[in-house]
Amino acid sequence: GAGVSQSPSNKVTEKGKDVELRCDPISGHTALYWYRQSLGQGLEFLIYFQGNSAPDKSGLPSDRFSAERTGGSVSTLTIQRTQQEDSAVYLCASSSLRGRGSSYEQYFGPGTRLTVT
Amino acid sequence: AQSVAQPEDQVNVAEGNPLTVKCTYSVSGNPYLFWYVQYPNRGLQFLLKYITGDNLVKGSYGFEAEFNKSQTSFHLKKPSALVSDSALYFCAVRDLRGRDSNDYKLSFGAGTTVTVRA
Repeated sequence: GAGVSQSPSNKVTEKGKDVELRCDPISGHTALYWYRQSLGQGLEFLIYFQGNSAPDKSGLPSDRFSAERTGGSVSTLTIQRTQQEDSAVYLCASSSLRGRGSSYEQYFGPGTRLTVT
Repeated sequence: AQSVAQPEDQVNVAEGNPLTVKCTYSVSGNPYLFWYVQYPNRGLQFLLKYITGDNLVKGSYGFEAEFNKSQTSFHLKKPSALVSDSALYFCAVRDLRGRDSNDYKLSFGAGTTVTVRA
């Protein structure tokens, strides 16, 4: 079936502008995660959604970052007043954590490369 | 919080030689451990996981990993490396938010760059 998709694949924006990054998880996956990967670095957790539970926002680096997940499916990560240090690849992942489909591993999308000039 | 460490930033091996990528973990309770690979300009791909059962776990592309509780390690191995195995490898551990075993995120190591020379 279809994997996790993200759009856009690349985004170049000017400092101070707002950006929205989109993630479409695998159909039926109850959990959705956002990570950030700076050039040559590891993965930095940002936020995750699990079913109807309150999202875990503990990884968001500042109040300029926010995310929502509508209808338990598509998620949008919004960065307001972008700064140059926001330049990174933003990765989305989903997983199936409930019932017989539980497998625990996360499936990643191709990422959105954000460049703030 | 749970964490993993990858002590080597880079691993270089010749094609055909054994490949080992090291990972140690620090968790409370039973560890759920994972390995992912990232090829250049690509997203992360799942390789294998340890949840319970046999300590030797087999995964994709001929990779395997050995869970060692006494040494708190989960090293990734491949008996005979290929040039195409050159990539960035990440170890990860389940990091529970609360008591629900299904409510968690993954905490990743810093990654190890593997270069296999012909």
